[in-house]
Amino acid sequence: LAKTTQPISMDSYEGQEVNITCSHNNIATNDYITWYQQFPSQGPRFIIQGYKTKVTNEVASLFIPADRKSSTLSLPRVSLSDTAVYYCLVGDRYSSASKIIFGSGTRLSIRP
Amino acid sequence: SQTIHQWPATLVQPVGSPLSLECTVEGTSNPNLYWYRQAAGRGLQLLFYSVGIGQISSEVPQNLSASRPQDRQFILSSKKLLLSDSGFYLCAWSALDGGETDTQYFGPGTRLTVL
Repeated sequence: LAKTTQPISMDSYEGQEVNITCSHNNIATNDYITWYQQFPSQGPRFIIQGYKTKVTNEVASLFIPADRKSSTLSLPRVSLSDTAVYYCLVGDRYSSASKIIFGSGTRLSIRP
Repeated sequence: SQTIHQWPATLVQPVGSPLSLECTVEGTSNPNLYWYRQAAGRGLQLLFYSVGIGQISSEVPQNLSASRPQDRQFILSSKKLLLSDSGFYLCAWSALDGGETDTQYFGPGTRLTVL
């Protein structure tokens, strides 16, 4: 299983763009990268998923370089409500039962 | 659309008492089901997962067990709770269909306090 490493915490201000980088040096060919967001006392919520290059949805963008050994979650113009823990996960696309491991995540704090 | 339910939302139990947490999924068939535990300020620890009725895989040896009596029902149990069983328990489901990736969708969670 590919292990991920991400910063324990980050601070930013409302209206700024926030980039959270995750390292996954041992990512395998079939692995894809998924990011989740978790608010206190709630279950994690899927944000975005990608395999290579760039993926964008209405919430965030995900940048994955050619070697796929890292990825960056980009949150445009954050607000106070984006304060949460963000998890980067790497998993096997073709696994019949997920072996994805949630690490400790990145605790993002947004200030006014 | 799919929904996932967990109950109870909160639970306070004495040490040595039994436990039963229930999770049900609506709007999908033959989902993969998962139980996670999250200690305060920590990441999620996968406890059990199931790919079908009666099929349970345990990820971590512990005081807990899981069962899947119906396709969309997943139960987490214990015969005798320990203090260390306290935490936030999350149920999740996912669906694999051909090339679809295994995105997990989480329930609202159960906050368990063992005293």
